[in-house]
Amino acid sequence: GESVGLHLPTLSVQEGDNSIINCAYSNSASDYFIWYKQESGKGPQFIIDIRSNMDKRQGQRVTVLLNKTVKHLSLQIAATQPGDSAVYFCAENTGANSKLTFGKGITLSVRP
Amino acid sequence: DARVTQTPRHKVTEMGQEVTMRCQPILGHNTVFWYRQTMMQGLELLAYFRNRAPLDDSGMPKDRFSAEMPDATLATLKIQPSEPRDSAVYFCASGSSGGPYEQYFGPGTRLTVT
Repeated sequence: GESVGLHLPTLSVQEGDNSIINCAYSNSASDYFIWYKQESGKGPQFIIDIRSNMDKRQGQRVTVLLNKTVKHLSLQIAATQPGDSAVYFCAENTGANSKLTFGKGITLSVRP
Repeated sequence: DARVTQTPRHKVTEMGQEVTMRCQPILGHNTVFWYRQTMMQGLELLAYFRNRAPLDDSGMPKDRFSAEMPDATLATLKIQPSEPRDSAVYFCASGSSGGPYEQYFGPGTRLTVT
């Protein structure tokens, strides 16, 4: 499949460690945020979302944190596994329509 | 297992040829998006539809690209004539306008124009 990570920032973590992927968003009016995971040769896959009236949301092994004061979003992955290796995108929505604005993406590389 | 499907998965064509990419959104979703992904530009929104009506195609080169939804189960993206700079992966995504606004992506069409 096509590699989309050659020019993206890379985060390298040891298998079993926790990963933290950060994203800065630009629009203070955004009220809905999503993290997507994209594996090589596949389309982006929904991981977790959060509304602006929350500052934390947990899923299975993943947690999203939202800091509206500094317009910062983070994705925490607990006990990172080789299958977590992918490009991760944050996306925001202003609520005015259905459009999402995507960040550039960060490559997560898991070392065995 | 509802998912977005796209055809073809891979397309190699010569410059100047017409290219048509097809997408079947998830049944019941009323919003369809077309994206282009390249290493240099990342994920770019080309156009999107709600209830089959085009809402925004400002990201699409108007002179050569066109997007349509002939019916609720089919969205098409055409490039005529194609150029080497159109080489990219084209994704279709669908969602519901009722919110929340998560979008579900298809596997993509990898287009190579020589």
